Amino acid sequence: EDQVTQSPEALRLQEGESSSLNCSYTVSGLRGLFWYRQDPGKGPEFLFTLYSAGEEKEKERLKATLTKKESFLHITAPKPEDSATYLCAPGDKIIFGKGTRLHILP
Amino acid sequence: NAGVTQTPKFRVLKTGQSMTLLCAQDMNHEYMYWYRQDPGMGLRLIHYSVGEGTTAKGEVPDGYNVSRLKKQNFLLGLESAAPSQTSVYFCASTEGQGYTGELFFGEGSRLTVL
Repeated sequence: EDQVTQSPEALRLQEGESSSLNCSYTVSGLRGLFWYRQDPGKGPEFLFTLYSAGEEKEKERLKATLTKKESFLHITAPKPEDSATYLCAPGDKIIFGKGTRLHILP
Repeated sequence: NAGVTQTPKFRVLKTGQSMTLLCAQDMNHEYMYWYRQDPGMGLRLIHYSVGEGTTAKGEVPDGYNVSRLKKQNFLLGLESAAPSQTSVYFCASTEGQGYTGELFFGEGSRLTVL
C-alpha cells in the first residue's frame, strides 16, 4: 500500500533558525514528488517537483531534495512569512502527506 | 485569469439534505480532482476526472457523486448529507499530459452538516 509520512507534524523555529522537514514515501513507480505550501484558509500552492534521486530545487529560503525513499524541504534562515503548512505528495495525486505545520517566531 | 473557482465557499446543511459543490477552471486542464481536508487527516482524494465525461473513485468516495459534463466544470454532489461529511473541500486541476503535473487548487468550500 502506498504511503506518505511527513515529520515532524509541527515545528516552531525562531526567525533565522534553519531546519528541515521530512517526507518519506513507499510508492511503487514514483513519478515525481511534489511539495506544496498551504496558508490558513487557503488552498495549497505548488512549490517544487522532484523527479529523480539526487535532484535539488531551490526557491528563496527553501530547498527541496530527493532520495529513493524520502524528500527533505530545507528552510534556511526562515522568516515569519514562511509560517505555513507544507505538504508533500507523489505525482499520481492519489495520496498526500498530512503535512508539517511550520511556525516561525519573530 | 481566475484559475480554479469553487462555489459556494461556505454552506451549512442539515443531516439528510442534498447539495452540489461546483468547481470551474479556466486553464483548459484535462484532469480535475475533489479532495476533503480534515484536521489531523490531511488531504484525501474523493473522486477525480481525467477528461470530459469521465470520473473515477479516489480514496474516500462513499457518500459522494461527481459529474464532468463540461471540460471546465467538475461537480461534487452529496445526496444525503451526514455530519461525518463536515469538512473543507478542495477542487484542483492539472494539465492534460500532466498526470504528474502540479495541481492548481481552489480556495476551498467549508461545509458544515448539523
